[in-house]
Amino acid sequence: DAKTTQPTSMDCAEGRAANLPCNHSTISGNEYVYWYRQIHSQGPQYIIHGLKNNETNEMASLIITEDRKSSTLILPHATLRDTAVYYCIVRLKTSYDKVIFGPGTSLSVIP
Amino acid sequence: DTGVSQDPRHKITKRGQNVTFRCDPISEHNRLYWYRQTLGQGPEFLTYFQNEAQLEKSRLLSDRFSAERPKGSFSTLEIQRTEQGDSAMYLCASSLVGSGRTYNEQFFGPGTRLTVL
Repeated sequence: DAKTTQPTSMDCAEGRAANLPCNHSTISGNEYVYWYRQIHSQGPQYIIHGLKNNETNEMASLIITEDRKSSTLILPHATLRDTAVYYCIVRLKTSYDKVIFGPGTSLSVIP
Repeated sequence: DTGVSQDPRHKITKRGQNVTFRCDPISEHNRLYWYRQTLGQGPEFLTYFQNEAQLEKSRLLSDRFSAERPKGSFSTLEIQRTEQGDSAMYLCASSLVGSGRTYNEQFFGPGTRLTVL
């Protein structure tokens, strides 16, 4: 699985959009970008994944650059409950193996 | 609540004691994973099962660690002769492989926090 690079921490004002970047310059053509988040004292939670098209679900939007070397997770209206560590992971869609987590980005939503 | 449960949620033990954790996955899920997470780090893979078969073990899983999934449903993780370095959050996850699924989403439990004194 390709490696990813994320900022260590970010702040976001409550009600504003939170944009979390991720670099994955060594991603291969058949690898997907997955995002998980982990709220304090809970297990990680799947958010969204994508290949090359932008994706949106009820939790977030995922914007992947045309060259697929970076992506941005967008939480459109951040709330205090979105304070968590966000993990960007690159892996094969058909990979049923372990998830390799990096240190992630610690997002603090500020009132 | 993801549907994956773990018991106990917290465990405090003295160095040298044995501990056992239990994970109950989502009922129809055939894959079960164990991860370990220390403070400030992302979860690290320990081992996983496909039904009752243990298919992969990490180098992190020393001889003092053993995991089982005897009937392909719940799983247990045992640590023998605990050491202070074993203090961590132990996470369980499950997923459904096959049946035409198009991606592998792992559902994580809340974890068991182990403190070894």
